[in-house]
This record gives sequence, structure tokens and C-alpha cells, in this order.
Amino acid sequence: AQSVAQPEDQVNVAEGNPLTVKCTYSVSGNPYLFWYVQYPNRGLQFLLKYITGDNLVKGSYGFEAEFNKSQTSFHLKKPSALVSDSALYFCAVRDLTGGFKTIFGAGTRLFVKA
Amino acid sequence: DTGVSQDPRHKITKRGQNVTFRCDPISEHNRLYWYRQTLGQGPEFLTYFQNEAQLEKSRLLSDRFSAERPKGSFSTLEIQRTEQGDSAMYLCASSLASGGSDTQYFGPGTRLTVL
Repeated sequence: AQSVAQPEDQVNVAEGNPLTVKCTYSVSGNPYLFWYVQYPNRGLQFLLKYITGDNLVKGSYGFEAEFNKSQTSFHLKKPSALVSDSALYFCAVRDLTGGFKTIFGAGTRLFVKA
Repeated sequence: DTGVSQDPRHKITKRGQNVTFRCDPISEHNRLYWYRQTLGQGPEFLTYFQNEAQLEKSRLLSDRFSAERPKGSFSTLEIQRTEQGDSAMYLCASSLASGGSDTQYFGPGTRLTVL
């Protein structure tokens, strides 16, 4: 069965410092991996996805994520955090052995302090 | 704005009443998904359509829940005989079919409160 784990409920980082939001997954087949961000009173916004190829994926707003097959991880990163990055981040996985169902993690709240 | 829209944004109802939510996807998108999100959790998959065909339903989707997409455009999600446990945010997403790699674009959600 597919599953996603976001081991940290909350991540705190100072503005200007690098940030990492962790995600690990479990699937039967080859994974499609996604990161979404949710701001208060707004819908989920797509950040980036891994399908195949280069393990480092670049996305919106300066975010990137690294796919690591051996560690079954897909951590979200940004070299220099902004206060405006403070939001709720969700990792999601799909593998076609499970149909087109997408499984989301529980989310990680990111606080960036000025 | 050509994004995914949902109506209503908020719904308060009494236990036992029926409610219906509407989702209008991005116009060229042929896949449409419904999710439920409760506080502190990520979205949980409910069901998915490709064009007008409902292709997958979660076991979370009890007999009280039904979804339709009659013309392959907008979709409705109906909950009959609502229960307090149905209180949640109901999210709709749409995508353009691309194997399994399609990106889902989400609407703002409908927040349901069952009293």
C-alpha cells in the first residue's frame, strides 16, 4: 500500500537560512512525488513534482526537492528562507499500481522568523 | 480567473440533512478529483473521474456519498443524511491526463460544518 510520512509537524527556521522539509514514502511501483503548499484560507498550490530522470527537481518560488530512491525520500529544500514561505507543506505520492489515487502526508508547518 | 472553483465556500447544516457541493474544473482538464481534509491532516482521496466516468472510489466513500460528473465538465458531491463526522473541508482538484504524472490543481474548498 502507498504511504507518505512527514516526520516533523513543524519546522522553524530563521529568514535567510536554508530550509528542509522532510518526506519519506512507501510504494509498490515507481513513485510519482509531489509537493504542495497551503496558505491560510487558500487552496493547495502545486510546487514541484518528480516523475523520472534528474533526482534534483526545481519548482516554484525557489524551492527544490531531491529524490533519493535508496532512502525512499523526497525532501523539500530552499537555500534561503523568506518570511513569506511560512505555510503548511504537503508531500504526496502516487504509483500507478494503486490507480490514480494520490496519497498525501499529514503536512509540515513551516515558520520562518524574521 | 480560470482556476478551479467550488461552491459554496462554506456550508452549515444540521445532522440528517442532505448537502450538495459543486466543483468547476479548469476548462480543458479531463480528470477531476474529490478529497476530504480534516484539521491537522492532509487531503484524503475520495473519488476520481476521467471525463464523465467515475473510475475510482475510496473505501472512505460510504453509501451516503455520491459524486457525479454528468457531462465531463463540472462535478457534484452529495452527502445524504449528514453526520457530525462529515464535518471537514471538501477539496476538488482537476488535471489534464498525462499517464500518472499529471499535476492536480486544487480549488479553494468547501468547508462543511454539521451541527
